[in-house]
Amino acid sequence: GAGVSQSPSNKVTEKGKDVELRCDPISGHTALYWYRQSLGQGLEFLIYFQGNSAPDKSGLPSDRFSAERTGGSVSTLTIQRTQQEDSAVYLCASSLGGSIVYEQYFGPGTRLTVT
Amino acid sequence: AQTVTQSQPEMSVQEAETVTLSCTYDTSESDYYLFWYKQPPSRQMILVIRQEAYKQQNATENRFSVNFQKAAKSFSLKISDSQLGDAAMYFCAPSYGGSQGNLIFGKGTKLSVKP
Repeated sequence: GAGVSQSPSNKVTEKGKDVELRCDPISGHTALYWYRQSLGQGLEFLIYFQGNSAPDKSGLPSDRFSAERTGGSVSTLTIQRTQQEDSAVYLCASSLGGSIVYEQYFGPGTRLTVT
Repeated sequence: AQTVTQSQPEMSVQEAETVTLSCTYDTSESDYYLFWYKQPPSRQMILVIRQEAYKQQNATENRFSVNFQKAAKSFSLKISDSQLGDAAMYFCAPSYGGSQGNLIFGKGTKLSVKP
């Protein structure tokens, strides 16, 4: 079946602009995760969804970052007023979710460059 | 803070030989999961192997096996009969905190395979 997909694969934006990153999880996966991968910080957890709910938003680096998930499927990560330090690869992952920690399946990522 | 240490930033192995990548972690949790992921230059994060902390038996997956030492909080990955396609960044990633299941990544080990 289809894996996790993310769009766009690459995004170049000017400092101060808003960007939206999209993630389509594997069908039937109720858990969805966003991570950020940068040279300086390595891989960081950003936010987790179980269904449409995000019980833990503590990983979001600032209030310029927000995320939503609709219909228990597609998720959008929005970064407002982008800064150069936001440049990174944003990875989305999904898993079966529930009471057991299942393995996560990752998308190919979106490389964000803020100029 | 829950930390993950991969003490070998880079490793090299001859094709068909065996290599072991080390990982130590720090947690006060008693029940958790441990994963190894690989990330080739394509950027796609791929699950290599998974271990439940409550299981004493070490996980194996074809040429990949782990040496899990719970008391020592050590989780090393052994790759046997190394192949050129094994060249990638390898990340050790525990998952704590109940069903939320977000991964905490080490900084990674870059594995090169020499023909």
